[in-house]
Amino acid sequence: GQQLNQSPQSMFIQEGEDVSMNCTSSSIFNTWLWYKQDPGEGPVLLIALYKAGELTSNGRLTAQFGITRKDSFLNISASIPSDVGIYFCAGQLRYTGANSKLTFGKGITLSVRP
Amino acid sequence: SQTIHQWPATLVQPVGSPLSLECTVEGTSNPNLYWYRQAAGRGLQLLFYSVGIGQISSEVPQNLSASRPQDRQFILSSKKLLLSDSGFYLCAWSIGLSSYEQYFGPGTRLTVT
Repeated sequence: GQQLNQSPQSMFIQEGEDVSMNCTSSSIFNTWLWYKQDPGEGPVLLIALYKAGELTSNGRLTAQFGITRKDSFLNISASIPSDVGIYFCAGQLRYTGANSKLTFGKGITLSVRP
Repeated sequence: SQTIHQWPATLVQPVGSPLSLECTVEGTSNPNLYWYRQAAGRGLQLLFYSVGIGQISSEVPQNLSASRPQDRQFILSSKKLLLSDSGFYLCAWSIGLSSYEQYFGPGTRLTVT
């Protein structure tokens, strides 16, 4: 099936630092979503992007829909301990028609050192 | 506002026993419903999705099945569990055929022993 690539698998940062994650694919996507999952809980939707080049913020989080439609970026500024968790990207492939299934990346585990 | 519930929260079952996990959504009508499985340290695997009562699409052949007896109820079942069925099961909902924003429930941790 289609793949969304997220790397590295884990990231370690110091509290207060900014961090950037990206999500790439060889296929074109119409929609990009970013989720955060805390341990033992369901993923929570952070940001949804629907237009190439779109830049959207949610508090300290900023995400962008890549111009090529094959990638997306999530930036977290001034990290705090509660930013710890797994960050998933997800997308809806172009040409899938009226179909709300998503493709998910494998996630990046973020650790924040106090 | 919409809320999604899953139960039980945790479950330990022996190999060969049956399974029934339930998911219900409140505050919306005719949602699309999804079952995902998440193995330890891995991403989300879509198992089933439903766009209406009695309409189930299976994504991965396996010994699991899903049913949607009511508009806002989605059930994941198995007649005989395998060790490989262990994992974190997540239910999600969205609205409309062109809405890609899925909202997840709290999950059920299943351990097959």
